[in-house]
Amino acid sequence: DGGITQSPKYLFRKEGQNVTLSCEQNLNHDAMYWYRQDPGQGLRLIYYSQIVNDFQKGDIAEGYSVSREKKESFPLTVTSAQKNPTAFYLCASSIDNGILGYTFGSGTRLTVV
Amino acid sequence: GNSVTQMEGPVTLSEEAFLTINCTYTATGYPSLFWYVQYPGEGLQLLLKATKADDKGSNKGFEATYRKETTSFHLEKGSVQVSDSAVYFCALSDRGGSNYKLTFGKGTLLTVNP
Repeated sequence: DGGITQSPKYLFRKEGQNVTLSCEQNLNHDAMYWYRQDPGQGLRLIYYSQIVNDFQKGDIAEGYSVSREKKESFPLTVTSAQKNPTAFYLCASSIDNGILGYTFGSGTRLTVV
Repeated sequence: GNSVTQMEGPVTLSEEAFLTINCTYTATGYPSLFWYVQYPGEGLQLLLKATKADDKGSNKGFEATYRKETTSFHLEKGSVQVSDSAVYFCALSDRGGSNYKLTFGKGTLLTVNP
């Protein structure tokens, strides 16, 4: 079945370390997105990519980095510059510019210890 | 810019009660509108959508009608079940702009008690 796979589901990181969250899709979607979710704040866009080798900053890109070397993959790196990284991270993809909606992965919960 | 405002929760109902979650939007173009549902510990699932004015989206007993005159897309269900307990997000995608991203409301937590 086609879908989006995020791994791992739970991730623990020590302060000062970088960590990379994986997002893979086999839907043949062109666009991919990363959102951060915090209690009471809804979803906030970190980065998005419309095509391979191109990506754009979202509303809260500071302290994060991404790459889009393959259509299927859009990994997110949470760097040590991110001051408050503990959150639930959601990856999504769309076949177009989102007019028909997004498909979401099941998320990765990152906890800084 | 685009924005979505939905009623704040939490909303607590008894089983078989009627549900309404209000959603209004501001958009620069001609948006498509969506309701997503998130069960605990999971990602978001598309519940229903409407792509033009007066369209009604429906799924699993939930309905929402795209009202351009009131810029609204309220979610309704005639008889909720305990299994409907989740967070519901209203969202829009603006086809008139160049932004390739959805704009989400903050979410409404629904709890249905037996």
